[in-house]
Amino acid sequence: DAGITQSPRHKVTETGTPVTLRCHQTENHRYMYWYRQDPGHGLRLIHYSYGVKDTDKGEVSDGYSVSRSKTEDFLLTLESATSSQTSVYFCAISDSPRNYGYTFGSGTRLTVV
Amino acid sequence: AQTVTQSQPEMSVQEAETVTLSCTYDTSESDYYLFWYKQPPSRQMILVIRQEAYKQQNATENRFSVNFQKAAKSFSLKISDSQLGDAAMYFCAYRGGSQGNLIFGKGTKLSVKP
Repeated sequence: DAGITQSPRHKVTETGTPVTLRCHQTENHRYMYWYRQDPGHGLRLIHYSYGVKDTDKGEVSDGYSVSRSKTEDFLLTLESATSSQTSVYFCAISDSPRNYGYTFGSGTRLTVV
Repeated sequence: AQTVTQSQPEMSVQEAETVTLSCTYDTSESDYYLFWYKQPPSRQMILVIRQEAYKQQNATENRFSVNFQKAAKSFSLKISDSQLGDAAMYFCAYRGGSQGNLIFGKGTKLSVKP
């Protein structure tokens, strides 16, 4: 395995509560990404990081924030969870900006009730 | 902005037969990379095959091959001798630009009939 783990694997939370998802890598890759997967939408980029404390927004960043204080950890926070954020969240890593695909974590299924 | 389109939400193939999944993309860049990912029911995203836009030769990985038509902006995936384990969601993806973030199509669900 590529050494990327996501936690938790499943989570149910209530509307309005903050939620943090964690992505941890042991590959020392520079680039890390958070995607969400929804039926009929494929995978859409939420936020990404190109180094420690260097992050930027993706296509669907509203309602989400991220932090990367160490190379190996990339946290995704839903500041106040809503039902529209019910989704499967994937973390991915890459050691190259362009010419290779990403390695993905196993995903977190988040349900907001 | 770049876009990736998979026009077949679902496909079905008989075991041992060949199936082709379609993908088109839109870009103004000349240097980019294209990928096919497989997502089985386990949810894991698995890289199947990649193609560099500057290479005219189509990529091949065992039973998986692509038909890359750069002028037409088409990148189809051919699966030969289909197996039950090929049943999965397949995503086409594009990577280019200064940051090179992966852009995905909406996916094609492939069923394999015994």
